[in-house]
Amino acid sequence: EVQLVESGGGLVQPGGSLRLSCAASGFTVSSNYMSWVRQAPGKGLEWVSVIYSGGSTYYADSVKGRFTISRDNSKNTLYLQMNSLRAEDTAVYYCARDLLYYDSTKGPAPFDYWGQGTLVTVSS
Amino acid sequence: QSVLTQPPSVSGAPGQRVTISCTGSSSNIGAGYDVHWYQQLPGTAPKLLIYGNSNRPSGVPDRFSGSKSGTSASLAITGLQAEDEADYYCQSYDSSLSVRVFGGGTKLTVL
Repeated sequence: EVQLVESGGGLVQPGGSLRLSCAASGFTVSSNYMSWVRQAPGKGLEWVSVIYSGGSTYYADSVKGRFTISRDNSKNTLYLQMNSLRAEDTAVYYCARDLLYYDSTKGPAPFDYWGQGTLVTVSS
Repeated sequence: QSVLTQPPSVSGAPGQRVTISCTGSSSNIGAGYDVHWYQQLPGTAPKLLIYGNSNRPSGVPDRFSGSKSGTSASLAITGLQAEDEADYYCQSYDSSLSVRVFGGGTKLTVL
């Protein structure tokens, strides 16, 4: 059974750092495209970052230069290192997996599995 | 302001049919990129509901269906049930922004 379990959220001051983890089971993280998606309180979903199976990484403009996505193949875990945090980064952060074997000529695959989310609050 | 536009809310009585629209532009839906739909029940993570415009993952009831035409897509729910009360999001890809984009979400209320 596929499972994604996030951890690492919490309260941090503006300008601070936090590292989120997403432990995966039932599949191999390094063989899949993995993303982070966030949702500010009472707001909609916002894609944050993706790491491809080959290791390429991409970011939303809102976090580029501040956030870093990575993975530890030995731990089958996805990470999001968040630096220079701002109040507007306050959100529930979800890790999500791309559906495998999708026809990429029609755009990125959908997210077929999501974690339960971890809340990040940036406030003084 | 979301790149994909959804109505903030829709409602319907049990047993009725409702539709949720998702309007984009020539750089996303109109460019031929697929549209996916997610259901988010209160306090839970989103769940994939429709992918590739009109395909249902295993386990999703056939009361849910999706379609796409031009720069827009739609999610239809027939035989509305109380447990369908949730937020619904469309998602696609925007070639101008080079990012995956979501609609602002639609809250479905079952009267």
